[in-house]
Amino acid sequence: ETGVTQTPRHLVMGMTNKKSLKCEQHLGHNAMYWYKQSAKKPLELMFVYNFKEQTENNSVPSRFSPECPNSSHLFLHLHTLQPEDSALYLCASSQEGRDTQYFGPGTRLTVL
Amino acid sequence: EDQVTQSPEALRLQEGESSSLNCSYTVSGLRGLFWYRQDPGKGPEFLFTLYSAGEEKEKERLKATLTKKESFLHITAPKPEDSATYLCAVSVRGGSEKLVFGKGTKLTVNP
Repeated sequence: ETGVTQTPRHLVMGMTNKKSLKCEQHLGHNAMYWYKQSAKKPLELMFVYNFKEQTENNSVPSRFSPECPNSSHLFLHLHTLQPEDSALYLCASSQEGRDTQYFGPGTRLTVL
Repeated sequence: EDQVTQSPEALRLQEGESSSLNCSYTVSGLRGLFWYRQDPGKGPEFLFTLYSAGEEKEKERLKATLTKKESFLHITAPKPEDSATYLCAVSVRGGSEKLVFGKGTKLTVNP
């Protein structure tokens, strides 16, 4: 789905690094989401933003910090991560909350 | 607790051998059921949304159906390019924007 882009596609970071993931949607949607996908587990919702307001934080550790400056852009700021945070991080958007979600290609994160 | 279970976990088919994937759900009130296809290392690609029991949707070799307790994704005469992991998710009536996902069915179609 080229309507949602994510950068970078791959990221390797040490436990003391600070990095950010970026997501941009070109679909005119109002809601954006961050998901974590680990091997052998269902997709886990992390954060939801609706009209730039955070409406859900699914008990995510504070080392993950989201930012939504407008309805087209979403960031996930990372700091002092743990090796178990290594996963595929997916961004999604929808026309409004509870509607069909469209996903980006994901960022493959490896924490050393 | 809202729950989605997909079966089988993995399925191997020969090219042209039709089959079905199952998604059973337990929710307080279903708002919508979603099917996605995911290729390795990529994001899920939207396939179908179903809203009410009895509803059916088709796209090429795929057909999704919905009952009050489960959904089926029927694959007719599959081709090797249909190989992927198929994900099922539900949204709950009156709930948040959260989608509850199953673990997926990994489909392999051999030529």
